[in-house]
Amino acid sequence: NAGVTQTPKFQVLKTGQSMTLQCAQDMNHEYMSWYRQDPGMGLRLIHYSVGAGITDQGEVPNGYNVSRSTTEDFPLRLLSAAPSQTSVYFCASSQLAGGYTDTQYFGPGTRLTVL
Amino acid sequence: GESVGLHLPTLSVQEGDNSIINCAYSNSASDYFIWYKQESGKGPQFIIDIRSNMDKRQGQRVTVLLNKTVKHLSLQIAATQPGDSAVYFCAETYSGAGSYQLTFGKGTKLSVIP
Repeated sequence: NAGVTQTPKFQVLKTGQSMTLQCAQDMNHEYMSWYRQDPGMGLRLIHYSVGAGITDQGEVPNGYNVSRSTTEDFPLRLLSAAPSQTSVYFCASSQLAGGYTDTQYFGPGTRLTVL
Repeated sequence: GESVGLHLPTLSVQEGDNSIINCAYSNSASDYFIWYKQESGKGPQFIIDIRSNMDKRQGQRVTVLLNKTVKHLSLQIAATQPGDSAVYFCAETYSGAGSYQLTFGKGTKLSVIP
């Protein structure tokens, strides 16, 4: 199994540009999520999904869109990039155990710079 | 909102010594806690977890202690090795209906001195 994969690894955007960060998992996990990590801070949840066709907002959803058309893929879209979105983005997936997520497996991250 | 925090941002230990990383949480409803290790340039990696019906759980060289009375979590690493150098995050969640969000602390950087 490849686990959780993310592309691209690095990206530089200009303010106002749009792009999609890709995330895929091959573990048949119901739950997928996107986090951003800023220097000196922990991870903050952007959006998450508990299954195909179901998404919900996390702590910092503004400026980001997601969709979940398949179990495997969970892309994150930036419609109009801003410098404040410069960060490292992590995708994670897990099984759902009872009423909450089980161990989350993280991808290697996408390092995004917005100029 | 309520969040998970850490007492110490950095920790330096001698190789072979034991390490203790602390974490305070503020949401008394949290009932599942996880420790993650993040090496430079990589995504967080699961280390160990504990549910609120336990106060101690042991893994290979790692032990997590949970004190619900004072809302405190700690990670103990025995015989610390250079490969343990990383940033360690605690995270919390609760099993309330529709709750699928992990809240992470800011992290503690562990540096192992050879």
